[in-house]
Amino acid sequence: DAGVIQSPRHEVTEMGQEVTLRCKPISGHDYLFWYRQTMMRGLELLIYFNNNVPIDDSGMPEDRFSAKMPNASFSTLKIQPSEPRDSAVYFCASSSGLGPQHFGDGTRLSIL
Amino acid sequence: GDSVTQMEGPVTLSEEAFLTINCTYTATGYPSLFWYVQYPGEGLQLLLKATKADDKGSNKGFEATYRKETTSFHLEKGSVQVSDSAVYFCALSDRAGNMLTFGGGTRLMVKP
Repeated sequence: DAGVIQSPRHEVTEMGQEVTLRCKPISGHDYLFWYRQTMMRGLELLIYFNNNVPIDDSGMPEDRFSAKMPNASFSTLKIQPSEPRDSAVYFCASSSGLGPQHFGDGTRLSIL
Repeated sequence: GDSVTQMEGPVTLSEEAFLTINCTYTATGYPSLFWYVQYPGEGLQLLLKATKADDKGSNKGFEATYRKETTSFHLEKGSVQVSDSAVYFCALSDRAGNMLTFGGGTRLMVKP
C-alpha cells in the first residue's frame, strides 16, 4: 500500500515568496493532519481535517499560513509570504477513525 | 490540558545494552498511549501502542506497559542494535482518539 505522499521533499526559496506544500493521504483515511517540526519547538500540530473539513486550526501560527483539503485525496499547506522563521520540516499524517496516524516523509523547507 | 513528558536525550548506549526511555503523561479520562520512532530523514512511524491500563504494547523487541497508577508508559528493549538509532516519541490520544499529543522526543544513539 502507498503511504502518505508529500511533495516536494525539499524546498528552498527566498523570503517573501509563496510556498505550497502538498499531501496525498492514504486512501480511505478520513483524518488528515499537518505538523511542523523544529529543533526549538519539537513537533507541533498546525491543523487537522475530518472528511475534508477543517476541525481545529488553533495551531496555525499566523494568517500567513493557510490549509485546504478540496477532496479526500489531496491537501495543501500554503505560506504567503514566507519568512526565514518558517524554516522547518512539515509533516502530513492521515488516519482512519480511531486508528493510528500514518506520517509522510515530510517536506524540508528552507526560507533564505 | 493533556501533556506528555519524556526524558531528554541524547541517550547513548553500546550495542546489546538495555534501553529504557521514560515517559509520563497528564490526561483526563483514559487516553491511548503510543510510541513512535523517527529515523533520519523520515517521518514518524508507529512503533507500539496500548489502549487501556495494564496493556503491554510490543514490536521489534520493544515493549511498553500502560501504568495508570504512575501515569507512565516507559519504553524498554533488552538488547539494542545500531539500527535502533533514531528519535523516539511518546504520545497520547485524546478521548475521541483523533488528536495526538507528543512528548519532546528522545534521541537514541547506539554505538557498535
